Amino acid sequence: GENVEQHPSTLSVQEGDSAVIKCTYSDSASNYFPWYKQELGKRPQLIIDIRSNVGEKKDQRIAVTLNKTAKHFSLHITETQPEDSAVYFCAATRGKLIFGQGTELSVKP
Amino acid sequence: KAGVTQTPRYLIKTRGQQVTLSCSPISGHRSVSWYQQTPGQGLQFLFEYFSETQRNKGNFPGRFSGRQFSNSRSEMNVSTLELGDSALYLCASSLGSEPPGYGEQFFGPGTRLTVL
Repeated sequence: GENVEQHPSTLSVQEGDSAVIKCTYSDSASNYFPWYKQELGKRPQLIIDIRSNVGEKKDQRIAVTLNKTAKHFSLHITETQPEDSAVYFCAATRGKLIFGQGTELSVKP
Repeated sequence: KAGVTQTPRYLIKTRGQQVTLSCSPISGHRSVSWYQQTPGQGLQFLFEYFSETQRNKGNFPGRFSGRQFSNSRSEMNVSTLELGDSALYLCASSLGSEPPGYGEQFFGPGTRLTVL
């Protein structure tokens, strides 16, 4: 069945450093890849998404890259700030959203 | 606009009982999806409703069911509760103008279900 693997499960960086989270998916027909951020005790919120006809998308300090051939996509956060600390979920869809296991990002001041 | 709301926020049940959770989507949103969130399994898709019809479902047993009303409000029911059903149940709404699973989903605060 469909599966999304996400790595790493935890990531700790210093404020100002970059953070990269990687995901691979199994269903080659997947063509929509959102990223959600969930702060402690809060609901998940969409931060960026990419569709399969695009290789890269950027929004201020956040960027997502997609390699359809290799079936993987990545989230890049530059100039990290303490408020970036949260759990990040990648997902892939072909009719239903399949989420990765999540990455707990900790940004130390 | 008011966000997605879920009731109740907390529930404690015992094994074998059944439970009904409710979700009110953002006004104008016609699609409602349900997810189970646990520390070990992350976010798992349960089902998605659009215009009172289930468009897609995940890999959960038949004890998990749902429905959607004409005002887009949705309910999820779990029968014969098991200890492993303890989780945070999130619903999410979207406009529904795209195919199921596409576009931004707006999540509710969740219902924390504890099965004893």
